[in-house]
Amino acid sequence: QSVLTQPPSASGTPGQTVTISCSGSSSNIGSNNIYWYQQFPGKAPKRLIYRINQRPSGVPDRFSGSKSGTSASLAISGLRSEDEADYFCAAWDDSLSGVVFGGGTKVTVL
Amino acid sequence: EVSLVQSGAEIKKPGESLKILCECSGYSFAHFWIAWVRQVPGKGLEWMGIIFPDDSDTRYSPSFEGQVTILVDKSTSTASLQFVSLRDSDSAMYYCARLGDDYTPPDFWGQGTLVTVAS
Repeated sequence: QSVLTQPPSASGTPGQTVTISCSGSSSNIGSNNIYWYQQFPGKAPKRLIYRINQRPSGVPDRFSGSKSGTSASLAISGLRSEDEADYFCAAWDDSLSGVVFGGGTKVTVL
Repeated sequence: EVSLVQSGAEIKKPGESLKILCECSGYSFAHFWIAWVRQVPGKGLEWMGIIFPDDSDTRYSPSFEGQVTILVDKSTSTASLQFVSLRDSDSAMYYCARLGDDYTPPDFWGQGTLVTVAS
């Protein structure tokens, strides 16, 4: 059971916007920055969003992040077939003194 | 360019020992925490523990405390994850990853090491 809670799946048609939620607590999302990762089968996770809503160089602006209280969201706008992947949220947890992850959300492009 | 390169896939029998290596380059190895993360195929990411290379300060997830040992060798900029006695349930992909500044989740990841434990 993951510390952060994500829906197991999300889907949309090309061009649509898909939003993935990530729910935590005051010791992680509530007091620290949220990160999002994209992972393709057989590949390592890749940082997609850091510090709630910052994108590393090379990540399209179709990906955006937000946070409110102990929850966060990742939005993928203008959905494309190449966005089909698993998406994980993560945050530092002050109680555990470590990183906690969400269980991951598989995004399917219909 | 920051790079974390892990040792290759392993096939082991229950009870055997194992050390997975993570060679880091392109940054000041001593001054960034290194994390180890487990991923069972088809499942989520699990934080196992972290180590600060400069002083070897190590913190384990309660789920992995006593089950694994995390070490670093500053002379070779290499972190390692050690298992003393493998079990079938240790079969998984293992990633090393560099934490960002100020206790933040990973910014760079190794390519992963697949461990298969079977008799």
